[in-house]
Amino acid sequence: DTEVTQTPKHLVMGMTNKKSLKCEQHMGHRAMYWYKQKAKKPPELMFVYSYEKLSINESVPSRFSPECPNSSLLNLHLHALQPEDSALYLCASSQDGTGTIADQPQHFGDGTRLSIL
Amino acid sequence: GESVGLHLPTLSVQEGDNSIINCAYSNSASDYFIWYKQESGKGPQFIIDIRSNMDKRQGQRVTVLLNKTVKHLSLQIAATQPGDSAVYFCAEVRGAGSYQLTFGKGTKLSVIP
Repeated sequence: DTEVTQTPKHLVMGMTNKKSLKCEQHMGHRAMYWYKQKAKKPPELMFVYSYEKLSINESVPSRFSPECPNSSLLNLHLHALQPEDSALYLCASSQDGTGTIADQPQHFGDGTRLSIL
Repeated sequence: GESVGLHLPTLSVQEGDNSIINCAYSNSASDYFIWYKQESGKGPQFIIDIRSNMDKRQGQRVTVLLNKTVKHLSLQIAATQPGDSAVYFCAEVRGAGSYQLTFGKGTKLSVIP
């Protein structure tokens, strides 16, 4: 079982809906990430939070809005999504984003499979 | 552009044989590499990592080899088992303190019983 928990596992929503994806980790990690993965493709980085502050936004459309309420939680708020946004959304965490990156692999959850109607 | 890629998109291996999955990278500034295994319906699972100051690292049934001269990374799985069937991604981190993982395209490993 993964130590990064994502809910819900599946989500179907219309283009006018507002929904949120949730991610939780209790490993004491201080860096958290959102990735998007299309079928048969590698994950693509969307956002990085370090010490609860947004540090990287990979030019993601504003219809995706991340939030980090505390060091254990990461949310992704969704509004007015398009059919091409259907994908697996993965959350990951790593120990620290500062200083040496030695032995700091990112640990992934099992994702939320999102379908936009 | 610079990217991490894989030589073979699919690999079929007989159960009990050794598997070798290859990865090429083009950014000589990359100093940390990770192999992930992704089973159907699951997220990527960390397998093993290696830093650029090493050329080999071993784990349980897995070995990662790094050849910086030709910018090549490989994952060797000993005595491949049906449970090893998955897509394997190599990923690189470019520079100390970077958060950004860049994934290769992935190799699908199928184990023939």
